[in-house]
Amino acid sequence: EVQLVESGGDLVQPGGSLRLSCATSGFTFSIYNMNWVRQAPGKGLEWLAYISSKGSPIYYTDSVKGRFTISRDNAKNSLYLQMNSLRVEDTAVYYCARDKDDVAFDFWGQGTMVTVSS
Amino acid sequence: DIVMTQSPDSLAVSLGERATINCKSSRSVLYSSNNKNYLTWYQQKAGQPPKLLISWASTRESGVPDRFSGSGSGTDFTLTISSLQAEDVAVYYCQQYYTTPRTFGQGTKVEIK
Repeated sequence: EVQLVESGGDLVQPGGSLRLSCATSGFTFSIYNMNWVRQAPGKGLEWLAYISSKGSPIYYTDSVKGRFTISRDNAKNSLYLQMNSLRVEDTAVYYCARDKDDVAFDFWGQGTMVTVSS
Repeated sequence: DIVMTQSPDSLAVSLGERATINCKSSRSVLYSSNNKNYLTWYQQKAGQPPKLLISWASTRESGVPDRFSGSGSGTDFTLTISSLQAEDVAVYYCQQYYTTPRTFGQGTKVEIK
């Protein structure tokens, strides 16, 4: 069974940093491209970042470029999102999502909540 | 960026009736080299992550009931629920996979009338 479990969400002050993790199981992580997607409270979905199976190429949406870094450890079957210079508007549930052949996100985790507030 | 616009924002449909959701992209998501539309539909129920329903604009995922169908090409797409069931209450999102950023529509909330 494919499983993706996010962790690392927390309450953090504006300007702070946080590292999210996504532990995966039930599939060969090293051959899949992966993504991070977020959803602000009561709002829609926003794609944030993509990393290919081998770690490159990497793509970001403009709103997080230069502040967030996506990475992966294929030996640990894990995906990460390092978030720096956090803003109030980064408050959201953060999901990791498996990429289906650059066509769609076929499996999603349950999400981890990040709250940026003073 | 490709802007995805869904209509309506919400709709209420009687059980057993048809629900139709539209999605329009600001430019074509039809890839000429393979003649495929890079358009995906997701369903998100309250408190849950999104679930993939349809890719390539019209290809249902395994296990998705056949009352869900997708159609359209280029810039205009439709998700149809042919006979609404109680378990279909959710927010539905379209997404383009043609280029990055992989943008989503704003979502359409489907409720029971």
